[in-house]
Amino acid sequence: DAEITQSPRHKITETGRQVTLACHQTWNHNNMFWYRQDLGHGLRLIHYSYGVQDTNKGEVSDGYSVSRSNTEDLPLTLESAASSQTSVYFCASRMDRDTEAFFGQGTRLTVV
Amino acid sequence: KNEVEQSPQNLTAQEGEFITINCSYSVGISALHWLQQHPGGGIVSLFMLSSGKKKHGRLIATINIQEKHSSLHITASHPRDSAVYICAVRSGGGADGLTFGKGTHLIIQP
Repeated sequence: DAEITQSPRHKITETGRQVTLACHQTWNHNNMFWYRQDLGHGLRLIHYSYGVQDTNKGEVSDGYSVSRSNTEDLPLTLESAASSQTSVYFCASRMDRDTEAFFGQGTRLTVV
Repeated sequence: KNEVEQSPQNLTAQEGEFITINCSYSVGISALHWLQQHPGGGIVSLFMLSSGKKKHGRLIATINIQEKHSSLHITASHPRDSAVYICAVRSGGGADGLTFGKGTHLIIQP
């Protein structure tokens, strides 16, 4: 069955370190997204991609970057982790606009 | 930017009760999603709709485009329905992705 997977599921890192969260989907979807989920906020968009070599900034992109070298993967990199980036991160994908979105299981990141 | 408001924020009900969760948004949209998130779990898409009504099992979602309002109903609620229900909208134009409500935390007691 097609799926979307995130790794790791849990990560603890130190302030200032570079961290990469993986997202892999086998739906062959064009569109991929990264969101963060924090108490008191709805999910907020970090970055998104419409296809290979395409990346776009979302609402809360500062301190994050993504790359899209193939259809299946959209890794999220925290260049220099900060405590404010402690959060649960969700990756999502969809075929195109106004189609159903599928979400990964989430990655809980703690920056100490 | 679209503002998405959900009500209630928290809801506790007894097994078997009819549940209604509401979602209002401020700007016209092209699609509205209802999502379910179990504690410690991932997010599952329940419905995507742009007009009218959809039904899946005991779940029913309706949307009124003119009033910028959607409801999610659960009939014959069961403890396994306990979860956070999230409304999300996609507005036309501008940055893509969804704008999410803060969620409704539902607990169904046996």
